[in-house]
Amino acid sequence: GESVGLHLPTLSVQEGDNSIINCAYSNSASDYFIWYKQESGKGPQFIIDIRSNMDKRQGQRVTVLLNKTVKHLSLQIAATQPGDSAVYFCAENKPPTNKLIFGTGTLLAVQP
Amino acid sequence: EPEVTQTPSHQVTQMGQEVILRCVPISNHLYFYWYRQILGQKVEFLVSFYNNEISEKSEIFDDQFSVERPDGSNFTLKIRSTKLEDSAMYFCASMVAGGDEQFFGPGTRLTVL
Repeated sequence: GESVGLHLPTLSVQEGDNSIINCAYSNSASDYFIWYKQESGKGPQFIIDIRSNMDKRQGQRVTVLLNKTVKHLSLQIAATQPGDSAVYFCAENKPPTNKLIFGTGTLLAVQP
Repeated sequence: EPEVTQTPSHQVTQMGQEVILRCVPISNHLYFYWYRQILGQKVEFLVSFYNNEISEKSEIFDDQFSVERPDGSNFTLKIRSTKLEDSAMYFCASMVAGGDEQFFGPGTRLTVL
C-alpha cells in the first residue's frame, strides 16, 4: 500500500541552528508534496510545497528538497527560532480530489 | 484574514450517542474535507466533498459517518453511533477552486466515554 512516513519522531535543536526534518514516501508515482506545521492545539498549517518536476524549492527560511531516486524529501529550516517548535508533517496531495496523505510527524523542539 | 472555524472545540459524549461536528469553511472555497487525528498519531483523511456530494472517502468513513452542507456556510460531520475508537481530533479543511492549499480549522476534540 501507499505510505508517507518520517524517519525521526523527535528533533531537538539549539536556537539559531539549522533544522532538517526528513520524510520518505513509497509511491514512485507521487507528484506533489506539502510540508505542514502543527502547533499545539491548532490545525495543520501549510509551510511549503514541491512538485515532482522540481528537486528544490525555497521559501522564507525554509527549503524543501525532493530526491525522487530514493523517494525522500526533507524540510530545512534556517536559523531555527523558538516559534518553530511544533510537529512537522510531510503530506502527499493526491488527485483528483487533492486528499492529503500525511506522514507520522516529527516533533521539533527548539532549545533557547 | 479569513479562516476555517470549527465548533465545538471539545465534545464529550457517551458511546452509542450521535454527534455532529460543525465547520464553517472559508467563504469562497468550494472543496471541503474532514480529517481525524488520534492522539499521538498522524492525520488521516476521512472524506472530501464537492458540489454537494462526496467526491472521495476513506475506509474509515463507514456507514456511521455522514457529511452535509446544510446551507451556504456550514459543513458538518455526523457520527451516528459513536465508538470508543472514534475519540480523536477532527479537522475540517477547505480549498478554493483551482487551488492546491487546504486551509485547516483548529479542530474539534471528540472524547467518547
